[in-house]
Amino acid sequence: AQSVAQPEDQVNVAEGNPLTVKCTYSVSGNPYLFWYVQYPNRGLQFLLKYITGDNLVKGSYGFEAEFNKSQTSFHLKKPSALVSDSALYFCAVRGGGSYIPTFGRGTSLIVHP
Amino acid sequence: EAQVTQNPRYLITVTGKKLTVTCSQNMNHEYMSWYRQDPGLGLRQIYYSMNVEVTDKGDVPEGYKVSRKEKRNFPLILESPSPNQTSLYFCASSLRQGKGNEQFFGPGTRLTVL
Repeated sequence: AQSVAQPEDQVNVAEGNPLTVKCTYSVSGNPYLFWYVQYPNRGLQFLLKYITGDNLVKGSYGFEAEFNKSQTSFHLKKPSALVSDSALYFCAVRGGGSYIPTFGRGTSLIVHP
Repeated sequence: EAQVTQNPRYLITVTGKKLTVTCSQNMNHEYMSWYRQDPGLGLRQIYYSMNVEVTDKGDVPEGYKVSRKEKRNFPLILESPSPNQTSLYFCASSLRQGKGNEQFFGPGTRLTVL
């Protein structure tokens, strides 16, 4: 069975500082990895994905994520956080023989002015 | 504007009263799905559909039904709602059924079953 872990319920960072939101996964076969963001009272929005190729994936709003196969991780990063980045972030994985994606529990990112 | 729409956005009902939450997408997407979001549990898939007249169970299908008679619509039906189905529901769609396709989500439906 596939699984996703987001070990931090909440991440706090000061505006202008780099941010990292962690995600580790477990799946048989090649993983298809995604990050989504959810702003208050909104649906999820796609940020970026890893399918194959370069381990560093760039996405929307200046976010990027690094795929690390040996550590089975797909951490979300941004060099300089903005207050407007404050939201709930979800990591998701698809893989193996299943079309059903598995989502993490979500990490609340709070960027302080 | 390309979008996924859901109706209603908010619904309060009572145990046992059948209800339907509609979902529609205008992007000609093949794949559609329903999720529920509960605190501390993230999103869990209820049902998905790879195309018209093709539906399959997700991780938490008990108590729900779906249908896909048209490509653009994918309603979620609760025949006899119970309080444990109180949740935030999201419809989503993607262009194809492939595992590498990202999903587009609707705005959500907050359901309360008393």
